[in-house]
Amino acid sequence: QKEVEQDPGPLSVPEGAIVSLNCTYSNSAFQYFMWYRQYSRKGPELLMYTYSSGNKEDGRFTAQVDKSSKYISLFIRDSQPSDSATYLCAMSATAAGNKLTFGGGTRVLVKP
Amino acid sequence: EPEVTQTPSHQVTQMGQEVILRCVPISNHLYFYWYRQILGQKVEFLVSFYNNEISEKSEIFDDQFSVERPDGSNFTLKIRSTKLEDSAMYFCASGKGTPLHFGNGTRLTVT
Repeated sequence: QKEVEQDPGPLSVPEGAIVSLNCTYSNSAFQYFMWYRQYSRKGPELLMYTYSSGNKEDGRFTAQVDKSSKYISLFIRDSQPSDSATYLCAMSATAAGNKLTFGGGTRVLVKP
Repeated sequence: EPEVTQTPSHQVTQMGQEVILRCVPISNHLYFYWYRQILGQKVEFLVSFYNNEISEKSEIFDDQFSVERPDGSNFTLKIRSTKLEDSAMYFCASGKGTPLHFGNGTRLTVT
């Protein structure tokens, strides 16, 4: 079983729709969860950062963590063509200096 | 907003040659990392660096790889004798802890 699993997509949605992304993981030690956006041939750009279970909202983005199910989600409201990118989940066991383990990424296409 | 910068953006080298990839992390960060991403694959951890020493390294980070923080601002990754399979995007990252902030990468092409 892979440590972090993410559907590769592509996920195609019309402009204005809600984009729903998720990752599952197997390592119960993970406590810190991140979502990154990656445009082609660019570095991962941090979108959301959450600790343990719960919800966090930032503008059009909502991140959810369910540690009991080992499942995390990212929702993008009012999606725009500029949201077309690959979205990577990443997680770590500690806050200080621990490596991140990434999912394989979900490619999202928002069509005008 | 401060950012992690990496140079060069693209490096082409011949198999067996040495390459040095350079990074300037965000200035008040304490933890520094190198990750790589082979085309179409996951972002993979290579090495972490804290307090002027390697704190963790992956199986990928073998004896042909080394890291240095030569002058308190730059952070480098050296590959001593490049192989074809070293062709990838190499990302530098830094953080005060978690989360990490990534640079835009160096695309290394080994021919």
